[in-house]
Amino acid sequence: DTEVTQTPKHLVMGMTNKKSLKCEQHMGHRAMYWYKQKAKKPPELMFVYSYEKLSINESVPSRFSPECPNSSLLNLHLHALQPEDSALYLCASSHQTDRSSPLHFGNGTRLTVT
Amino acid sequence: AQTVTQSQPEMSVQEAETVTLSCTYDTSESDYYLFWYKQPPSRQMILVIRQEAYKQQNATENRFSVNFQKAAKSFSLKISDSQLGDAAMYFCAYRYTNSGNTPLVFGKGTRLSVIA
Repeated sequence: DTEVTQTPKHLVMGMTNKKSLKCEQHMGHRAMYWYKQKAKKPPELMFVYSYEKLSINESVPSRFSPECPNSSLLNLHLHALQPEDSALYLCASSHQTDRSSPLHFGNGTRLTVT
Repeated sequence: AQTVTQSQPEMSVQEAETVTLSCTYDTSESDYYLFWYKQPPSRQMILVIRQEAYKQQNATENRFSVNFQKAAKSFSLKISDSQLGDAAMYFCAYRYTNSGNTPLVFGKGTRLSVIA
C-alpha cells in the first residue's frame, strides 16, 4: 500500500486534449514533487511545492501546469502535449521541516500521448 | 552541481547469495543524505535504506546494508540472502539537506535480476 495516491493509473490522451493528473497524501507533508520518468531512465524533477507555493520549476514547458490547491493535493494539468511527453509521472511528498525525511512516492500515472 | 553515478547498468545474483551495487557521487556540500530506492515492475519507488553524511556508522535494514565512504564519495548497497522479490531497478539518490523540500538527484539505476 502506498501513502501517496495518484490517479489515474493510466491515461491516454490526444495532442489536443486537456487532462489532469492528481496526487493526494495525508501524512501532513508540506513539500510535494512531480517527477517525469521515461522507460529505463531515472526520474527527472519537474516541480517542487513548498507550503503550497511553487518553489522549483525545472524549466518545464508551459503545456504542463502544476497546481497545489491545499496541503494534501497536488495536480498536474496537461494541455497540447506532444508524443514525446509520454512517460510515467511520479508524485512524491516529504516533511518540509525534517531534513532527514525521505521522499515518499506514489505508484505513478502512465501517460500515453497519441 | 551534484551528480550521482551508478556504473553497473545490470547485475544478477543467485537466490540466497550476496550482491553489491555501486554508487559514487560528487558534491561540495558536507551535510547531505544518501538513499537507495527500489523500483519493481509495479512502478512504485520504495525506500530501501538511507544514510546521513555525518554518521560514520553504516546504515543497515535487515538484509540490506551500505558501505559509506565519505572521503571517497562512495555509497554501495549490499543485499544479503537475495530473494526473488529483490529483482528490481535500484536507484542511488543524493539529497542536499539545507531544507526539507530539496529534491532527490538520482543515478541512472542498476537493474538487478535474481536467478532461482
